[in-house]
Amino acid sequence: GAGVSQSPSNKVTEKGKDVELRCDPISGHTALYWYRQSLGQGLEFLIYFQGNSAPDKSGLPSDRFSAERTGGSVSTLTIQRTQQEDSAVYLCASSSPPGYEQFFGPGTRLTVL
Amino acid sequence: KNQVEQSPQSLIILEGKNCTLQCNYTVSPFSNLRWYKQDTGRGPVSLTIMTFSENTKSNGRYTATLDADTKQSSLHITASQLSDSASYICVVSGQNTGNQFYFGTGTSLTVIP
Repeated sequence: GAGVSQSPSNKVTEKGKDVELRCDPISGHTALYWYRQSLGQGLEFLIYFQGNSAPDKSGLPSDRFSAERTGGSVSTLTIQRTQQEDSAVYLCASSSPPGYEQFFGPGTRLTVL
Repeated sequence: KNQVEQSPQSLIILEGKNCTLQCNYTVSPFSNLRWYKQDTGRGPVSLTIMTFSENTKSNGRYTATLDADTKQSSLHITASQLSDSASYICVVSGQNTGNQFYFGTGTSLTVIP
């Protein structure tokens, strides 16, 4: 594909519901990253994938957050029992080789009511 | 502690004027430094990437400088345009593999007519 894509672009959900966010990285990129950006704030690292494994999950804020990647490509970020403080833009980036330039997707804006 | 600090936090300039954004870092070991532009509601887009041995790199009206001795970088924007209004993020990579990315909180630039 031409770039990193994310879906949905916007998601509004009720407190307590589960949500699933999707990221399609650039084809062939082995490294994939999830970040969270709250309004007016910098990017907050969540999780890093190298292939299908996640050597760094240190940024996940609670056990309500999980992510997986299959086939070394698509990744999903799942937030269970959403809270209002989860409202933010969730950005995905991919790179190859790992650690080199990151290409970001447009983000998913999550609003928890 | 590995940190990236940017200044100013926000900036308003008149169209056609020049401006310079600053980035100071304490990341070690250092691999490379990137400047990203993030338009409102979009993901960050890379402007320049600089390695240890590079002092200056240009991309159109954007010129980045790097002083690896003082651990400082600047992004100079020449003849600003309304479309330059965005957040500019400095990202330092601590090593050329994996997940050693350190993000500044960004400078919000507003160009007014």
